[in-house]
Amino acid sequence: DIQVTQSPSSLSASVGERVTITCRASENINNFLNWYQQKPGKGPEVLIYAVLNRQDGVPSRFSGSGSGTEFTLTIISLQPEDLGTYYCQQSYSTPPTFGQGTKVEVK
Amino acid sequence: QAQLVQSGAEVRKPGASVRISCTESGDTFTSDSFHWVRQAPGQGLEWMGVISPSGGSTTFAQKMQGRLTMTSDMSTRTVYMELSSLRFEDTAVYFCARNVRSMAWNWLDPWGQGTLVTVSS
Repeated sequence: DIQVTQSPSSLSASVGERVTITCRASENINNFLNWYQQKPGKGPEVLIYAVLNRQDGVPSRFSGSGSGTEFTLTIISLQPEDLGTYYCQQSYSTPPTFGQGTKVEVK
Repeated sequence: QAQLVQSGAEVRKPGASVRISCTESGDTFTSDSFHWVRQAPGQGLEWMGVISPSGGSTTFAQKMQGRLTMTSDMSTRTVYMELSSLRFEDTAVYFCARNVRSMAWNWLDPWGQGTLVTVSS
């Protein structure tokens, strides 16, 4: 199975700050990398698919980048509604695997 | 826009089975596949398996083999996940999610609201 390692496990940032979350795969996943946001008590929602494509309706402050084995989710200007846990997921091979999650707190 | 609606919370004793339903409101059921992902309390997301209703094919996580069954009913646009021989560590919120495919890429959208399964004696 492809291992996906996400960091940091949690972060706290102020409104307007830039936030970066990193995801590393144990092997080349050819850009089959998705990002999800999970708000407390809810199911996850896709933010970014295939590394850098924002899902319809996702604010432009969210962006994805990377290639091969290393990927990044950036929130350019953190907003209060961005609190939650963020997960990366590789969809290159079965089983699809998720990062451990990054819990984002807004100060 | 498609939505996935899951059945309600369940409580089971160790050794019992549980079946959860996930109904799609949309028009692409026959061409979609559906994944099941679970989340233990305070933990991350764990993939369990996937079913393609049109052909009935399934693929399961290795650790679930032998305890997991996935079925579908195309007439009601519903997929089912049944987990048997329940253990305390199966206590989790269980999500269904539709697999979206575009060109070579695929991702999960939407997700159901989640079903809490509590295994307690």
